[in-house]
Parts: sequence; C-alpha cells; structure tokens
Amino acid sequence: DTAVSQTPKYLVTQMGNDKSIKCEQNLGHDTMYWYKQDSKKFLKIMFSYNNKELIINETVPNRFSPKSPDKAHLNLHINSLELGDSAVYFCASSQSVPGRYTGELFFGEGSRLTVL
Amino acid sequence: AQSVAQPEDQVNVAEGNPLTVKCTYSVSGNPYLFWYVQYPNRGLQFLLKYITGDNLVKGSYGFEAEFNKSQTSFHLKKPSALVSDSALYFCAVRDGNQGGKLIFGQGTELSVKP
Repeated sequence: DTAVSQTPKYLVTQMGNDKSIKCEQNLGHDTMYWYKQDSKKFLKIMFSYNNKELIINETVPNRFSPKSPDKAHLNLHINSLELGDSAVYFCASSQSVPGRYTGELFFGEGSRLTVL
Repeated sequence: AQSVAQPEDQVNVAEGNPLTVKCTYSVSGNPYLFWYVQYPNRGLQFLLKYITGDNLVKGSYGFEAEFNKSQTSFHLKKPSALVSDSALYFCAVRDGNQGGKLIFGQGTELSVKP
C-alpha cells in the first residue's frame, strides 16, 4: 500500500503545453510538499501546504500552480511549459502537529517531466 | 539561513570496507538533521535522523551517523559496505522557520565495488 503516490510517473510533452501532476498520501499527514530535482540531482523545495493552506512558495514562476483540495492531496499544474521545466518532481508529506512531529518527510517515487 | 554541505560528489569504497559520507551543517538554533538515500529512478528513502539525544544515531540498512556539534558535522557511516549500498545519498536539515521543509545538500554518489 503506497504511502505517497504520484501520477503520472513519466510525462513527455511539447513546449507551451499545460500539464498536471497529482499526489496523494495515505499517511494521515497534515503537510505536503513539492520538490524539484534537476539534471544535477539537486533538490529544491517549491511549495508546501499545511492543512490545505499554502505555507511555502519558493519564488517559483507563477506558471506553476499548486492546489490542495484536502490535506491528503496536493496537485501541481504547470502552464506554458518551457524546456527548463524538464526535471523530476517529487511530492512529499510530513506530520507537523506538535506532539506528533517526527521530522522526516516521506517521498513519492517522482514524476519525470520531459519538455521537448 | 539553514544549510548543509556535502563536500564529496563521489565516494568509492570496496565491498566489506567501512564507508563514510560527509555532511556539515549551518543552522541557527538546534539542528534537526537527516540522511536520505535515492536509488536510480526512485524516490528518496529516509535512513536516519538526529533531533536530540545520543550523538550516535542508528538507522536503516545498518547505517549510522554521528552528530558532532563542535565540528558542525553529521557524517553517515557503515562498518561494512555492500554493493547494494551504491546509491545517491543526501544530507538534509530542517528549516524550523518554514513549515518543516527540509533543505538538502547537493548529494554524494556512493559506489561500492566488489
């Protein structure tokens, strides 16, 4: 039973298109994240939501729009895709409630986006 | 601002030998430190963490890490490396000011040869 699941695993698309990646966690966590891993494997936070509220937005272009319909889901929509958006996008979750905080993030398997 | 550094892009070890993957940190306040492993085309898997308590932390797959406050280091170690340990290893620090996000080092590629 997958804890953090992302779909699709692979995306190949043309420049200028719009695409979405979906993420779901069944761990009962209250915080979810999107990270981007570039071609050099560097991991950078993009967004974080706590109980459906945006709490981190790390100077990501506004072509990227996260949406959290409930605390178990965090989706990422990307408009007008550019070549530089090619990367692996990881969803993650954690528990942030005081008294239940354990610190670590749990990651999905990643969604590899290739923009041609 | 919180940060971690992994000074080695690559570490090569012979199977059966001890391994060390280095990490240094810079934080304001008490550090929350983590190690993750990433196998090819997979997500990140949590190995171990230091939040408080003993400086030697034991984690998954026989890995351990030593928290050294005076040297601001959190090196990952294993007494006897396996070929299957070959992977990309990330050190991370929690940014307590921003919703618990983790800030990652640049990663160290560990290669264990038979």
